[in-house]
Amino acid sequence: DTEVTQTPKHLVMGMTNKKSLKCEQHMGHRAMYWYKQKAKKPPELMFVYSYEKLSINESVPSRFSPECPNSSLLNLHLHALQPEDSALYLCASSQADRGRYTFGSGTRLTVV
Amino acid sequence: GDSVTQMEGPVTLSEEAFLTINCTYTATGYPSLFWYVQYPGEGLQLLLKATKADDKGSNKGFEATYRKETTSFHLEKGSVQVSDSAVYFCALSPGGNKLVFGAGTILRVKS
Repeated sequence: DTEVTQTPKHLVMGMTNKKSLKCEQHMGHRAMYWYKQKAKKPPELMFVYSYEKLSINESVPSRFSPECPNSSLLNLHLHALQPEDSALYLCASSQADRGRYTFGSGTRLTVV
Repeated sequence: GDSVTQMEGPVTLSEEAFLTINCTYTATGYPSLFWYVQYPGEGLQLLLKATKADDKGSNKGFEATYRKETTSFHLEKGSVQVSDSAVYFCALSPGGNKLVFGAGTILRVKS
């Protein structure tokens, strides 16, 4: 299995809703990432988990809450989002530092 | 800090034309270098990579060579197809579980 699987593919949520994005990989990768990508822009790093511990938080607002329940799963909990948070959210994983990153196909989030 | 600069797009080519997308980088140490491709509505796919100076990455007819003396990693393809139309991102990994992206270059190939 050489894939990173993200669910759901599309999500529409109101500003008072709570929702979660899920990411799963079975490649034995020990680093997992959340990126946010706005239209016509490169992905921006949000969080990094290394060996199931949060190692990087790029000053992301607290309305985004990551969770890594085990080495294969990564969640992103969303609460009280703003319309400007609408974007493509990408999950990625990597085995080794400086190694190749494998990206999921993303969740397209729309906040209304 | 670490950074990647790509040529601005969009780049518009006719089918079977030669492609070059320029990429230069700034980094301390010895980063790994990557080209990722993003098709409309999809995530990023690794196209090719190089981990040290003079390495050549290649895949699906695309090539790029890690040039430390010019801090460059230009993407080339001898004959593009309509199906190559996508956004191409040059990226570097300096270590510390970070991946630094360039701004991306849109490629449009006309039949």
